[in-house]
Amino acid sequence: NAGVTQTPKFQVLKTGQSMTLQCAQDMNHNSMYWYRQDPGMGLRLIYYSASEGTTDKGEVPNGYNVSRLNKREFSLRLESAAPSQTSVYFCASSHVWLEQYFGPGTRLTVT
Amino acid sequence: GDSVTQMEGPVTLSEEAFLTINCTYTATGYPSLFWYVQYPGEGLQLLLKATKADDKGSNKGFEATYRKETTSFHLEKGSVQVSDSAVYFCALSDAAETSGSRLTFGEGTQLTVNP
Repeated sequence: NAGVTQTPKFQVLKTGQSMTLQCAQDMNHNSMYWYRQDPGMGLRLIYYSASEGTTDKGEVPNGYNVSRLNKREFSLRLESAAPSQTSVYFCASSHVWLEQYFGPGTRLTVT
Repeated sequence: GDSVTQMEGPVTLSEEAFLTINCTYTATGYPSLFWYVQYPGEGLQLLLKATKADDKGSNKGFEATYRKETTSFHLEKGSVQVSDSAVYFCALSDAAETSGSRLTFGEGTQLTVNP
């Protein structure tokens, strides 16, 4: 039981490049989430998927897209990376009414 | 909208000192409240939770009580250890069928415990 896994762990991009962050969970959770963590700002919700087949914007969705590929997998895509997207990205999952479980994070630097 | 405010950090204590990290919240409904902990280089782990007023969550010597009258969920520990050094996040959840258990986080409080 691996919980929530994320790939890659680290990534460096140049401005304008694109990439996809991958997330998978093996806990049969219905809901999945993407957050970004910046110093002094806690975690902010980018997108979430309450259940398979649905996705919704969170607090800071601009510049990102998501895909809920199946119940296990939820990916986050940056189409044209900007330096403001330098951050640590966390994926999480949960049953609807219960606490979230977090992955180890992806540290992204955009130069 | 919902919001969470944590006491400003960082907090530095000596081993065996008493810890309090303040957390207050604003919410329209009856949220669940959580404390998460993040150790260096890792993701967040659930430390404790409370789902209704007057509930007390506890784990690993940490405690927090859901106070609806003061909209607070302060984290306490009677005797901290060096291994408690981490960032602590207070969060609330407005769980619903259509939105999952979305979390709103406070800014985080860095705790350093010196031997």
